[in-house]
Amino acid sequence: GAVVSQHPSWVICKSGTSVKIECRSLDFQATTMFWYRQFPKQSLMLMATSNEGSKATYEQGVEKDKFLINHASLTLSTLTVTSAHPEDSSFYICSARGGNSEGYTFGSGTRLTVV
Amino acid sequence: QKEVEQNSGPLSVPEGAIASLNCTYSDRGSQSFFWYRQYSGKSPELIMSIYSNGDKEDGRFTAQLNKASQYVSLLIRDSQPSDSATYLCAGGGNTGFQKLVFGTGTRLLVSP
Repeated sequence: GAVVSQHPSWVICKSGTSVKIECRSLDFQATTMFWYRQFPKQSLMLMATSNEGSKATYEQGVEKDKFLINHASLTLSTLTVTSAHPEDSSFYICSARGGNSEGYTFGSGTRLTVV
Repeated sequence: QKEVEQNSGPLSVPEGAIASLNCTYSDRGSQSFFWYRQYSGKSPELIMSIYSNGDKEDGRFTAQLNKASQYVSLLIRDSQPSDSATYLCAGGGNTGFQKLVFGTGTRLLVSP
C-alpha cells in the first residue's frame, strides 16, 4: 500500500512560537506532497504543493513566510508554522500519491492548538 | 475557478438502506475522481477512485461517473451506523503531481 506518516498528531504551543510538522512517505517516494488545513466543520483547504528539491507552490491567500515548507527528500516534507497565533489553530493534513494506492493517501493529521 | 459541489447534508438513512451521495464538478479537464470518508477528528481515507464513465463497484460501494454531465456519485448499499461520516468528493488530473479539488463534503447519518 501507500502509507504517509505524520507527526506530531497533536501539539499545543504558545503564541509567537514556531511548530514543525513532518510527513514521511514510508513505502513509496513522494515527489509531490500536498498540505491542507481544515477548520472545524469545514472542508479541506489546500495550502500549498510541496515538490522535492524545489520551492513550494502556495495557494492564493496563504502566507509563504508564515507557513514554511521544506521537501528536502523524496520521503520527507515538513511544514513549519512560524510565529503561531491562536487563529492558526487548526487540523493540518498532508497528502501524497504513490505506491500501490490508486488515490492520494493522507497522513493522520496534526491538531495544532495555539494558546 | 475549478469547483466541486456537494450537498452538505446531513443525509439521513436507516440502517440497511442505500445511501446515495452526489457531486458535480466544473472542470471538464478533470481526469480522476475520488470519494473519501472522513470521521470527525480524523483524516480522510480513500473509499473509491473512478476514471472512466460508468459504474465501478467495490463491496458495498459503487461509484458512478458521467463526464458529459460532469457528475459523480457514490452509492452505499446496506448502510451501517459505522458508515456515518462526512464523504468528500474530489477531482484531479492523471498524475500525482496534480492537486485534488475537494467538495465541502456530505454528512451521512445512518440510524440503527
